[in-house]
Amino acid sequence: NAGVTQTPKFRVLKTGQSMTLLCAQDMNHEYMYWYRQDPGMGLRLIHYSVGEGTTAKGEVPDGYNVSRLKKQNFLLGLESAAPSQTSVYFCASNRRTGRENYGYTFGSGTRLTVV
Amino acid sequence: LAKTTQPISMDSYEGQEVNITCSHNNIATNDYITWYQQFPSQGPRFIIQGYKTKVTNEVASLFIPADRKSSTLSLPRVSLSDTAVYYCLVGDGPGGFSGGYNKLIFGAGTRLAVHP
Repeated sequence: NAGVTQTPKFRVLKTGQSMTLLCAQDMNHEYMYWYRQDPGMGLRLIHYSVGEGTTAKGEVPDGYNVSRLKKQNFLLGLESAAPSQTSVYFCASNRRTGRENYGYTFGSGTRLTVV
Repeated sequence: LAKTTQPISMDSYEGQEVNITCSHNNIATNDYITWYQQFPSQGPRFIIQGYKTKVTNEVASLFIPADRKSSTLSLPRVSLSDTAVYYCLVGDGPGGFSGGYNKLIFGAGTRLAVHP
């Protein structure tokens, strides 16, 4: 059981280049999320999805797009990378329950540097 | 979404009990309190969650007073491997009463350093 897998683990982009970060989960979770984490700071929510075919904006959505074409995959795209997008990106998922949240399962992160 | 306040950093020694308190004065009726642990270069890991009173698992205990405006994560007999950042979050579970989508907001967390 792999949990949440993120690819790639590391990437260096030039300003203006585009790329897609892939998140895959094998736990049949309904909800998936993309966060970014900058040095010394907590995680900030970029976009999230409550199910296949649906996405919504989080705290810091500008400069990013997402897609959830399949339940198990959540893609984060950068159309024109900027140095301000240098960060560590984490994907997370959790299952739909009743009142309780049984906790997010996070991936190991993608370290992105934009030069 | 309720905002949380927790100490920026704490120091402890191996074998001691560590208590990290989180303030969440604006917690809503539907909100649960959840704690995560993050090691360097890793994603956060779920530790414990509670709604009221006390919750205990194999890793930690969570104490929540009746007014729910604060909570305390208790780590018994810490070791060097407990050195990490600990995040306190409050939020509505998916499919909860308000139909919230559990958009948990992470603060800066508490950086715990355990010394030999």
